[in-house]
Amino acid sequence: AQTVTQSQPEMSVQEAETVTLSCTYDTSESDYYLFWYKQPPSRQMILVIRQEAYKQQNATENRFSVNFQKAAKSFSLKISDSQLGDAAMYFCAYRSVYSGAGSYQLTFGKGTKLSVIP
Amino acid sequence: SQTIHQWPATLVQPVGSPLSLECTVEGTSNPNLYWYRQAAGRGLQLLFYSVGIGQISSEVPQNLSASRPQDRQFILSSKKLLLSDSGFYLCAWDRPSSNEQFFGPGTRLTVL
Repeated sequence: AQTVTQSQPEMSVQEAETVTLSCTYDTSESDYYLFWYKQPPSRQMILVIRQEAYKQQNATENRFSVNFQKAAKSFSLKISDSQLGDAAMYFCAYRSVYSGAGSYQLTFGKGTKLSVIP
Repeated sequence: SQTIHQWPATLVQPVGSPLSLECTVEGTSNPNLYWYRQAAGRGLQLLFYSVGIGQISSEVPQNLSASRPQDRQFILSSKKLLLSDSGFYLCAWDRPSSNEQFFGPGTRLTVL
């Protein structure tokens, strides 16, 4: 079974600065997807960024980028030019490409609470 | 466009009472459907998933059950709630051809 570990329960960053959230995972599969989800105080889960394991290039979405190290099974999220609206819980998640049952459940880490200091 | 609804948004129930949470998806057909629970200070734990009407798979043994009476309707139930059932319940959907899961707004359940 796959596991996802987020070792930083809480992080803080000064507004306009850069912060990196860590995530490691364990899997025996060679192909899979990795995600970062954001959960603001409203509790709505919002997809921030996704990475396909077969792609060597790191995914980027505006101020959000990842550092995907497949051999090390590491998937960190970098937020540049942090804004007050970035304050939220951030969850790293894993999804297998192959599913004999036909569905693709996500395995989540426990989350990192990010605070943005004005 | 597709939307996902959950209700109620909040619920306070006494121990031993029944539970019924509903999730519906609009704008798509034959979705995969999921129920997750988020306990305080924890990540999301998958409870049930369904690939079609009447097809339910359970990930965690517990006093909860799920049903899918219609293609785009997913129901989470319990006959007798426990204190440990308190938490935030999220419904999600995806398509087998897609690698993105979409989440509903969630239901906050407090069992007293």
